[in-house]
Amino acid sequence: GQNIDQPTEMTATEGAIVQINCTYQTSGFNGLFWYQQHAGEAPTFLSYNVLDGLEEKGRFSSFLSRSKGYSYLLLKELQMKDSASYLCAAMDSNYQLIWGAGTKLIIKP
Amino acid sequence: IAGITQAPTSQILAAGRRMTLRCTQDMRHNAMYWYRQDLGLGLRLIHYSNTAGTTGKGEVPDGYSVSRANTDDFPLTLASAVPSQTSVYFCASSDQGTDTQYFGPGTRLTVL
Repeated sequence: GQNIDQPTEMTATEGAIVQINCTYQTSGFNGLFWYQQHAGEAPTFLSYNVLDGLEEKGRFSSFLSRSKGYSYLLLKELQMKDSASYLCAAMDSNYQLIWGAGTKLIIKP
Repeated sequence: IAGITQAPTSQILAAGRRMTLRCTQDMRHNAMYWYRQDLGLGLRLIHYSNTAGTTGKGEVPDGYSVSRANTDDFPLTLASAVPSQTSVYFCASSDQGTDTQYFGPGTRLTVL
Protein backbone atom coordinates (compact mmCIF):
# COMPACT_ATOMS: atom_id res chain seq x y z
CA GLY A 1 0.00 0.00 0.00
CA GLN A 2 0.89 3.64 -0.20
CA ASN A 3 1.88 5.43 2.99
CA ILE A 4 3.34 8.67 4.26
CA ASP A 5 4.71 8.94 7.80
CA GLN A 6 5.56 12.15 9.64
CA PRO A 7 5.54 13.08 13.32
CA THR A 8 2.21 14.28 14.70
CA GLU A 9 3.56 17.23 16.65
CA MET A 10 6.85 19.02 17.33
CA THR A 11 7.79 21.92 19.59
CA ALA A 12 10.62 24.38 18.98
CA THR A 13 11.84 27.72 20.28
CA GLU A 14 11.68 31.04 18.47
CA GLY A 15 14.95 31.72 16.64
CA ALA A 16 15.98 28.06 16.61
CA ILE A 17 16.14 25.45 13.83
CA VAL A 18 13.75 22.53 13.42
CA GLN A 19 13.77 19.54 11.08
CA ILE A 20 10.51 17.78 10.17
CA ASN A 21 11.01 14.30 8.75
CA CYS A 22 8.84 12.40 6.29
CA THR A 23 9.11 8.85 4.99
CA TYR A 24 7.08 7.62 2.07
CA GLN A 25 6.11 4.43 0.28
CA THR A 26 4.33 4.90 -3.02
CA SER A 27 3.63 3.01 -6.23
CA GLY A 28 6.12 4.85 -8.37
CA PHE A 29 7.46 8.28 -7.51
CA ASN A 30 7.18 11.61 -9.25
CA GLY A 31 8.31 14.02 -6.58
CA LEU A 32 7.86 15.12 -2.98
CA PHE A 33 5.94 18.22 -1.93
CA TRP A 34 5.83 20.19 1.32
CA TYR A 35 2.91 22.45 2.18
CA GLN A 36 2.24 24.74 5.14
CA GLN A 37 -1.23 24.95 6.64
CA HIS A 38 -2.19 27.45 9.31
CA ALA A 39 -5.16 26.52 11.48
CA GLY A 40 -8.44 27.07 9.67
CA GLU A 41 -6.74 27.92 6.39
CA ALA A 42 -5.85 26.22 3.12
CA PRO A 43 -2.54 24.44 2.50
CA THR A 44 0.03 26.62 0.74
CA PHE A 45 2.92 25.29 -1.34
CA LEU A 46 6.42 25.44 0.16
CA SER A 47 8.70 23.17 -1.85
CA TYR A 48 9.07 20.41 -4.42
CA ASN A 49 11.90 17.87 -4.75
CA VAL A 50 12.22 15.24 -7.43
CA LEU A 51 16.01 14.75 -7.45
CA ASP A 52 18.16 13.75 -4.49
CA GLY A 53 19.62 16.60 -2.52
CA LEU A 54 18.84 19.82 -0.78
CA GLU A 55 16.72 22.66 -2.16
CA GLU A 56 17.07 25.95 -0.28
CA LYS A 57 14.48 28.69 -0.36
CA GLY A 58 15.16 31.45 2.16
CA ARG A 59 14.64 30.21 5.73
CA PHE A 60 13.15 26.94 4.45
CA SER A 61 15.07 24.03 2.91
CA SER A 62 13.87 20.63 1.77
CA PHE A 63 15.90 17.46 1.31
CA LEU A 64 15.15 14.27 -0.59
CA SER A 65 16.70 10.80 -0.66
CA ARG A 66 14.85 8.66 -3.20
CA SER A 67 16.78 5.50 -2.30
CA LYS A 68 15.69 5.81 1.34
CA GLY A 69 12.16 7.06 0.67
CA TYR A 70 12.94 9.98 2.96
CA SER A 71 12.57 13.73 2.99
CA TYR A 72 12.88 16.49 5.53
CA LEU A 73 11.87 20.12 5.80
CA LEU A 74 14.33 22.37 7.61
CA LEU A 75 13.12 25.65 9.07
CA LYS A 76 15.74 28.12 10.27
CA GLU A 77 15.46 31.25 12.43
CA LEU A 78 12.02 30.21 13.57
CA GLN A 79 9.38 32.91 13.94
CA MET A 80 6.08 32.75 15.80
CA LYS A 81 4.26 32.91 12.44
CA ASP A 82 5.84 29.54 11.54
CA SER A 83 3.45 27.89 14.00
CA ALA A 84 1.39 25.76 11.62
CA SER A 85 0.96 22.23 10.32
CA TYR A 86 3.43 21.02 7.71
CA LEU A 87 2.12 18.51 5.20
CA CYS A 88 4.30 16.07 3.29
CA ALA A 89 2.92 14.62 0.04
CA ALA A 90 4.43 12.21 -2.48
CA MET A 91 3.30 12.03 -6.11
CA ASP A 92 2.78 8.46 -7.28
CA SER A 93 3.06 6.87 -10.70
CA ASN A 94 -0.47 8.09 -11.59
CA TYR A 95 0.56 11.66 -10.68
CA GLN A 96 -1.76 11.63 -7.69
CA LEU A 97 -0.60 13.11 -4.40
CA ILE A 98 -0.49 10.83 -1.36
CA TRP A 99 -0.65 12.98 1.77
CA GLY A 100 0.69 12.56 5.27
CA ALA A 101 -1.49 13.55 8.22
CA GLY A 102 0.70 16.60 8.86
CA THR A 103 3.10 17.71 11.58
CA LYS A 104 1.80 20.38 13.93
CA LEU A 105 4.70 22.70 14.78
CA ILE A 106 4.40 24.70 18.00
CA ILE A 107 6.80 27.63 18.41
CA LYS A 108 7.49 28.85 21.93
CA PRO A 109 8.97 32.28 22.71
CA ILE B 1 -10.85 37.31 -8.58
CA ALA B 2 -7.41 35.81 -8.40
CA GLY B 3 -6.83 32.15 -7.62
CA ILE B 4 -9.47 29.71 -6.45
CA THR B 5 -12.74 30.50 -4.74
CA GLN B 6 -15.08 28.10 -2.96
CA ALA B 7 -18.66 28.51 -1.80
CA PRO B 8 -20.15 28.28 0.68
CA THR B 9 -17.54 28.94 3.38
CA SER B 10 -19.46 26.73 5.76
CA GLN B 11 -22.74 24.84 5.79
CA ILE B 12 -24.83 22.80 8.20
CA LEU B 13 -26.91 20.23 6.36
CA ALA B 14 -29.56 17.71 7.37
CA ALA B 15 -28.81 14.10 6.50
CA GLY B 16 -30.43 13.02 3.26
CA ARG B 17 -30.30 16.45 1.66
CA ARG B 18 -28.55 17.16 -1.62
CA MET B 19 -25.70 19.68 -1.58
CA THR B 20 -23.38 21.18 -4.20
CA LEU B 21 -20.06 22.71 -3.23
CA ARG B 22 -18.82 25.23 -5.76
CA CYS B 23 -15.26 25.79 -6.92
CA THR B 24 -14.05 28.35 -9.47
CA GLN B 25 -10.52 29.16 -10.59
CA ASP B 26 -9.32 31.98 -12.83
CA MET B 27 -5.79 30.74 -13.47
CA ARG B 28 -6.79 28.74 -16.59
CA HIS B 29 -5.41 25.61 -14.96
CA ASN B 30 -6.19 22.38 -16.76
CA ALA B 31 -6.39 20.10 -13.73
CA MET B 32 -8.71 20.42 -10.73
CA TYR B 33 -9.20 18.33 -7.60
CA TRP B 34 -11.52 17.85 -4.65
CA TYR B 35 -10.12 16.71 -1.30
CA ARG B 36 -11.58 16.16 2.12
CA GLN B 37 -9.57 16.78 5.28
CA ASP B 38 -10.43 15.07 8.54
CA LEU B 39 -8.68 15.39 11.89
CA GLY B 40 -5.74 13.02 12.18
CA LEU B 41 -5.86 12.01 8.54
CA GLY B 42 -4.07 13.29 5.48
CA LEU B 43 -5.92 15.01 2.67
CA ARG B 44 -7.87 12.40 0.72
CA LEU B 45 -8.68 12.80 -2.96
CA ILE B 46 -12.38 12.48 -3.81
CA HIS B 47 -12.47 13.24 -7.54
CA TYR B 48 -10.23 14.95 -10.05
CA SER B 49 -10.33 16.33 -13.57
CA ASN B 50 -7.25 16.53 -15.79
CA THR B 51 -8.99 18.74 -18.36
CA ALA B 52 -12.42 20.15 -19.13
CA GLY B 53 -14.85 17.41 -20.10
CA THR B 54 -13.07 14.60 -18.21
CA THR B 55 -13.27 13.44 -14.60
CA GLY B 56 -11.79 10.62 -12.55
CA LYS B 57 -12.30 8.93 -9.21
CA GLY B 58 -9.88 9.40 -6.35
CA GLU B 59 -9.38 7.49 -3.13
CA VAL B 60 -12.82 8.16 -1.57
CA PRO B 61 -15.38 8.84 -4.34
CA ASP B 62 -18.45 7.07 -2.91
CA GLY B 63 -21.38 9.41 -2.25
CA TYR B 64 -19.88 12.22 -4.33
CA SER B 65 -20.12 13.26 -7.97
CA VAL B 66 -18.42 15.96 -10.04
CA SER B 67 -18.69 17.59 -13.44
CA ARG B 68 -16.28 19.70 -15.51
CA ALA B 69 -18.26 21.52 -18.14
CA ASN B 70 -15.60 24.22 -18.60
CA THR B 71 -12.05 25.06 -17.49
CA ASP B 72 -12.97 27.32 -14.60
CA ASP B 73 -15.65 25.44 -12.64
CA PHE B 74 -15.55 22.11 -10.83
CA PRO B 75 -18.61 21.57 -8.59
CA LEU B 76 -18.83 18.70 -6.11
CA THR B 77 -22.27 17.24 -5.37
CA LEU B 78 -23.36 15.14 -2.42
CA ALA B 79 -26.52 13.41 -3.68
CA SER B 80 -27.81 12.39 -0.24
CA ALA B 81 -25.62 13.63 2.60
CA VAL B 82 -24.66 11.36 5.51
CA PRO B 83 -22.99 12.33 8.83
CA SER B 84 -19.71 10.65 7.78
CA GLN B 85 -19.40 13.33 5.10
CA THR B 86 -18.88 15.94 7.80
CA SER B 87 -15.48 17.35 6.89
CA VAL B 88 -13.53 20.27 5.48
CA TYR B 89 -13.54 20.18 1.69
CA PHE B 90 -10.75 21.72 -0.34
CA CYS B 91 -10.72 22.36 -4.05
CA ALA B 92 -7.33 22.63 -5.77
CA SER B 93 -6.00 23.23 -9.25
CA SER B 94 -2.75 22.79 -11.16
CA ASP B 95 -1.58 23.82 -14.60
CA GLN B 96 -1.06 20.20 -15.59
CA GLY B 97 -1.71 17.05 -13.58
CA THR B 98 1.98 16.80 -12.82
CA ASP B 99 2.37 20.29 -11.42
CA THR B 100 2.09 22.00 -8.05
CA GLN B 101 -1.45 22.15 -6.72
CA TYR B 102 -2.93 25.38 -5.40
CA PHE B 103 -5.79 25.28 -2.93
CA GLY B 104 -9.00 27.20 -2.38
CA PRO B 105 -9.99 28.42 1.11
CA GLY B 106 -12.14 25.38 1.88
CA THR B 107 -15.75 24.63 2.80
CA ARG B 108 -16.54 23.38 6.29
CA LEU B 109 -19.52 21.00 6.00
CA THR B 110 -21.45 19.55 8.92
CA VAL B 111 -24.08 16.86 8.25
CA LEU B 112 -26.49 16.25 11.11
